[in-house]
Amino acid sequence: AQKITQTQPGMFVQEKEAVTLDCTYDTSDPSYGLFWYKQPSSGEMIFLIYQGSYDQQNATEGRYSLNFQKARKSANLVISASQLGDSAMYFCAMRGTNTNAGKSTFGDGTTLTVKP
Amino acid sequence: GAGVSQSPSNKVTEKGKDVELRCDPISGHTALYWYRQSLGQGLEFLIYFQGNSAPDKSGLPSDRFSAERTGGSVSTLTIQRTQQEDSAVYLCASSLDPRISGVSYNEQFFGPGTRLTVL
Repeated sequence: AQKITQTQPGMFVQEKEAVTLDCTYDTSDPSYGLFWYKQPSSGEMIFLIYQGSYDQQNATEGRYSLNFQKARKSANLVISASQLGDSAMYFCAMRGTNTNAGKSTFGDGTTLTVKP
Repeated sequence: GAGVSQSPSNKVTEKGKDVELRCDPISGHTALYWYRQSLGQGLEFLIYFQGNSAPDKSGLPSDRFSAERTGGSVSTLTIQRTQQEDSAVYLCASSLDPRISGVSYNEQFFGPGTRLTVL
């Protein structure tokens, strides 16, 4: 079974500052993928970043980086230089590989508010 | 190119009625997923199709829920005898084969969702 825990229901950050959104996970799969999605108030789900469990380096995509600490089972999202448009709900998710590749488990989300 | 489309965008029905929700994935995507999102909650996995393989139905909450995917493309999620607790946004996503590692195979593209309200 897989479990994703996001302990921060809401976070505030000042515009142009960096913010870290926490995510811890639990799984019995030896190989898995970790994801972050953004969901603005419009409701669309936007893929942000992906980390494979055997990837040697932490994933980065523009202002987004994933701080992957395998031993601690954490996959925190770091957003640098926050912008007002970053205000949204953020979901951490994971899934296994092979026969478990299709079933994703999502956390409850963190609502990020960027203050001007 | 065209993204994932879903129809209808909104559906209001009476308790006990059957509903069908449709999803058109991105052309060439072999994997298709259905999720349910209740208000203010995370996504709940429902079902996953990959090519011609048997679907992973492990997330379907009851036997009132079923889904099919015709010709490896369009999918329909059917809810029979709807209940008020079925009210939620139903999201469909598609991707390349997620059994292959790498971001390009694992990125899921989501549709805009169908908001279902059961009165």
